[in-house]
Amino acid sequence: NAGVMQNPRHLVRRRGQEARLRCSPMKGHSHVYWYRQLPEEGLKFMVYLQKENIIDESGMPKERFSAEFPKEGPSILRIQQVVRGDSAAYFCASSQQGTGELFFGEGSRLTVL
Amino acid sequence: GESVGLHLPTLSVQEGDNSIINCAYSNSASDYFIWYKQESGKGPQFIIDIRSNMDKRQGQRVTVLLNKTVKHLSLQIAATQPGDSAVYFCAENLDNAGNMLTFGGGTRLMVKP
Repeated sequence: NAGVMQNPRHLVRRRGQEARLRCSPMKGHSHVYWYRQLPEEGLKFMVYLQKENIIDESGMPKERFSAEFPKEGPSILRIQQVVRGDSAAYFCASSQQGTGELFFGEGSRLTVL
Repeated sequence: GESVGLHLPTLSVQEGDNSIINCAYSNSASDYFIWYKQESGKGPQFIIDIRSNMDKRQGQRVTVLLNKTVKHLSLQIAATQPGDSAVYFCAENLDNAGNMLTFGGGTRLMVKP
């Protein structure tokens, strides 16, 4: 039973390019969360989605960042026109319900040159 | 409180000794707390949780203590092993309806053989 799958594991982009990070939740999970982690820091909540709905995006930067969780396929975190400050590890987590244990993926590490 | 980008505090213990990792949480209204273990290059892994109506909960080799009066959480690891070496984060849930966790700054545990 596969866990939360994220890809790519590592992504390098130049300033101004777009980054797309994908997350497939655990089987049977319909709640997806994205978190960002800077080096030597804790994770910061970004966005909470269910299928085709954004439930809470209070942690998302107002510009350049967007997230979706379509009816079919993985959840996507999209960062447009990346800047050096976007360099971080981005973790996806899923849960079966809105509460209860959260299962994290291995993360996608974005480096902006 | 949240990390401001400083190096993580480090706890160094001898193999076989007990470890105690502390965390101060920020919101007195939080009602659910979790400890996560994060190994280098990996995602956070659930260790143990506790609800605010309890002050102690035990798992296998781990115990979590909650002091709501001073908003303090601790994780005790008995007979620490080299495999316990990791960064440990506490997280609090500010929303009973979701998994939008607020993470603390983390403590690095180093186990000396």
